[in-house]
Amino acid sequence: SQKIEQNSEALNIQEGKTATLTCNYTNYSPAYLQWYRQDPGRGPVFLLLIRENEKEKRKERLKVTFDTTLKQSLFHITASQPADSATYLCALEGSNTGKLIFGQGTTLQVKP
Amino acid sequence: NAGVTQTPKFQVLKTGQSMTLQCAQDMNHEYMSWYRQDPGMGLRLIHYSVGAGITDQGEVPNGYNVSRSTTEDFPLRLLSAAPSQTSVYFCASRKRGDRDSPLHFGNGTRLTVT
Repeated sequence: SQKIEQNSEALNIQEGKTATLTCNYTNYSPAYLQWYRQDPGRGPVFLLLIRENEKEKRKERLKVTFDTTLKQSLFHITASQPADSATYLCALEGSNTGKLIFGQGTTLQVKP
Repeated sequence: NAGVTQTPKFQVLKTGQSMTLQCAQDMNHEYMSWYRQDPGMGLRLIHYSVGAGITDQGEVPNGYNVSRSTTEDFPLRLLSAAPSQTSVYFCASRKRGDRDSPLHFGNGTRLTVT
């Protein structure tokens, strides 16, 4: 069956360190993968997109990698700050339909 | 800069009652969708629409109806609410032409069915 898996356990790190979040998928062949940020009581907000022919994408302190052989995307936040504390969701297109399917999200807590 | 607007923000229903969750966007996006978010389950797609007059089912469509008479509006109807429909509902839209264009989300409707 098709699955998108993110670590359901919260990730706690110290301010200034690099946070790394994982998104694994099975039985999908996505043309792209997206990452979103969600704050409590709010809707998700788009952060980054990476296509299947791209190994890495960067935006300011954010970096995303996409390994279609391992069926995995890694999301890195460098020099993390308490303001980066949120839930991060990965999403990919299911079965060439244009419909975005989401993982369950990983909560990041950055401590000062 | 309204983006995607959802109303109401909170709603409590009794089992068997009906209601409509409203969603409106002012970005002229052809694609609109409804998700529900439950603890540990992530966002699950209920229904979606690629344009006015066209709707289709997502992963969890049972118990919900949608229609799309205009580009701007995509209401979600619960005909007979059940406790299993207690959830947070998000409406999202994007441009249709670019398949990888990001979704723009509203801030959700928190629904409790007792």
